[in-house]
Amino acid sequence: QQQVKQSPQSLIVQKGGISIINCAYENTAFDYFPWYQQFPGKGPALLIAIRPDVSEKKEGRFTISFNKSAKQFSLHIMDSQPGDSATYFCAASEDAGGTSYGKLTFGQGTILTVHP
Amino acid sequence: GAVVSQHPSWVICKSGTSVKIECRSLDFQATTMFWYRQFPKQSLMLMATSNEGSKATYEQGVEKDKFLINHASLTLSTLTVTSAHPEDSSFYICSASKEYLSSYNEQFFGPGTRLTVL
Repeated sequence: QQQVKQSPQSLIVQKGGISIINCAYENTAFDYFPWYQQFPGKGPALLIAIRPDVSEKKEGRFTISFNKSAKQFSLHIMDSQPGDSATYFCAASEDAGGTSYGKLTFGQGTILTVHP
Repeated sequence: GAVVSQHPSWVICKSGTSVKIECRSLDFQATTMFWYRQFPKQSLMLMATSNEGSKATYEQGVEKDKFLINHASLTLSTLTVTSAHPEDSSFYICSASKEYLSSYNEQFFGPGTRLTVL
């Protein structure tokens, strides 16, 4: 029930294209859904996050779409650039005020390659 | 900003020795810090959650006597890998949680520490 399933495992897009990564969860207590970007040998960096009270959030070229009834959320990268080539992780956590302290459950990761 | 540092960034040690990794929140007080390990091409696996001044909470399957966590202040947590063996070689990443007025806590990650045990 704690799992977050992420797909695809890898994704290749052309420069200027749209990259779409999907995640699904089971735990209905999850109420915070961040996406992280990780470059080789580096720690993850927060890209964008959403709470379940909204269905979409956009920051620059990055958009999260959230479907509470389907328990799914996705990351869209518009106008993908070679510099976006990295591993992307979705994650989810419960209310930080509870005993979990907001610990994150990560998806399996998606390796994105953007060709010039 | 919300910057988290780790030291060292990489370490090589002999089998049987202990290694300490530090995690610091540089510009904020972290209510909670988390420790993860990551194997190549895999996701982050949470090892433990630590709160300042209290014992860490370890995830199932993580040996608390092997991975000692100390959270002495609101800006510093340490992970000590005791009697390290080659199978402990991994990328160790910490994160620090910044509390907001709302119920969620945003986590900021350190740059990671590459441990190689010979």
